[in-house]
Amino acid sequence: QVQLQESGPGLVKPSATLSLTCAVSGASTTDSYWSWIRQSPGKGLEYIGYIYYNGMTKYNPSLQSRLTISLDTPSNQYSLKLISMTAADTAVYYCAKGSPAPDHWGQGIQVTVSS
Amino acid sequence: EIEMSQSPVILSESPGQRVTLSCRASQNISSNLAWYQQKPGQAPRRLIYGASTRDTGIPARFSGGGSGTEFTLTISSLQSEDFAVYYCQQYDNWPLTFGPGTKVDVK
Repeated sequence: QVQLQESGPGLVKPSATLSLTCAVSGASTTDSYWSWIRQSPGKGLEYIGYIYYNGMTKYNPSLQSRLTISLDTPSNQYSLKLISMTAADTAVYYCAKGSPAPDHWGQGIQVTVSS
Repeated sequence: EIEMSQSPVILSESPGQRVTLSCRASQNISSNLAWYQQKPGQAPRRLIYGASTRDTGIPARFSGGGSGTEFTLTISSLQSEDFAVYYCQQYDNWPLTFGPGTKVDVK
């Protein structure tokens, strides 16, 4: 069965860079789309972007200038990097398999931006 | 950007009752719509895609309908495990967007 697990810091300082990793089991990152989605009380669910197995990416225009999603197929994981973090980026971040309507999600990781 | 709206915000109903949740898109999205269920402390779970196709393992009491700009999710007989928040998501146009959710709680 497909499982995804996010890892990374729970607390990030303003202006710092957020780096998250999603470890995939039960599926191969050499297949399918791999997504990041976040959820906050203020903005609700927000689709961040995805990476395809061939490395093609698509980002939400609202985040595009700050965002990088990359794939590490030997480790069967993928990552998100978001620079210049602000309080508005505080959210639960989910990795998920599939796009445009992901069918398997990780449990999520709370990321808080605070000094 | 396509805006998604959902109604009602909160729906209070008793177990065994039939409920219908609504989702509206700000422009035509054909049948490019998914429904998700989220329980407290859990990730969303996809129930429906293509507006009306149930995911594997989703009970038949869940049904989706609609196309264009108006969509519905119907639960034919509410079970205790169905009390949750339900979100719709359009995937016709980038950026992909979600509705604000409908909370179904116990009356």
